[in-house]
Amino acid sequence: EIVLTQSPGTLSLSPGERATLSCRASQSVSSSDLAWYQHKPGQAPRLLIYGASSRATGIPDRFSGSGSGTDFTLTISRLEPEDFAVYYCQQFGSSRLTFGGGTKVEIK
Amino acid sequence: EVQLVQYGAEVKKPGESLKISCKGSGYSFTNYWIGWVRQMPGKGLECMGIIYPGDSDTIYSPSFQGQVTMSADKSINTAYLQWSSLKASDTAMYYCARLRSGSLDSWGQGALVTVSS
Repeated sequence: EIVLTQSPGTLSLSPGERATLSCRASQSVSSSDLAWYQHKPGQAPRLLIYGASSRATGIPDRFSGSGSGTDFTLTISRLEPEDFAVYYCQQFGSSRLTFGGGTKVEIK
Repeated sequence: EVQLVQYGAEVKKPGESLKISCKGSGYSFTNYWIGWVRQMPGKGLECMGIIYPGDSDTIYSPSFQGQVTMSADKSINTAYLQWSSLKASDTAMYYCARLRSGSLDSWGQGALVTVSS
């Protein structure tokens, strides 16, 4: 089973700043099977990025995904107040779906 | 509009059984895998497994094999997750979600399961 490790665990930033979140896989992941989610308390997770770099429907362009192989990145170019949340990466390989442990983006 | 509807909250005692549901609408329910995702209190997301409602093919994540049973009734566009004997450690929020192009693109609102004596 592929293990995804996200870093940092917590990111303390101010609105307007840039957020860079990392996701590292224990073995190579197909870019087509790498996704990112935003999760806020009391809500269902929301798909942000699929295929490593494609934004899901309705996702603002301040969210972008990049990477390949074992290293992937989610970037939020300028944090808005509603972006403070927990973010998860996810992969789907060999019919097994796994999530990373999450990165909490909190207000500094 | 794609929708997955889950119903509310369940409070059970250890040893009791439970079956929770996830009803899909707005798309061809039989043509997409459904994933079940657990979030224990204060923890992250874990995929329990996936089920293909078209033929009820199931793939369990290793940690959940033998602990739960996934099923589906394609005649009513509904997927199920069930336990035969609940434990306190099954207390969690459980989400269903549609798997499309390697990601979970539509999610149910979640079902909170509390197991306490």
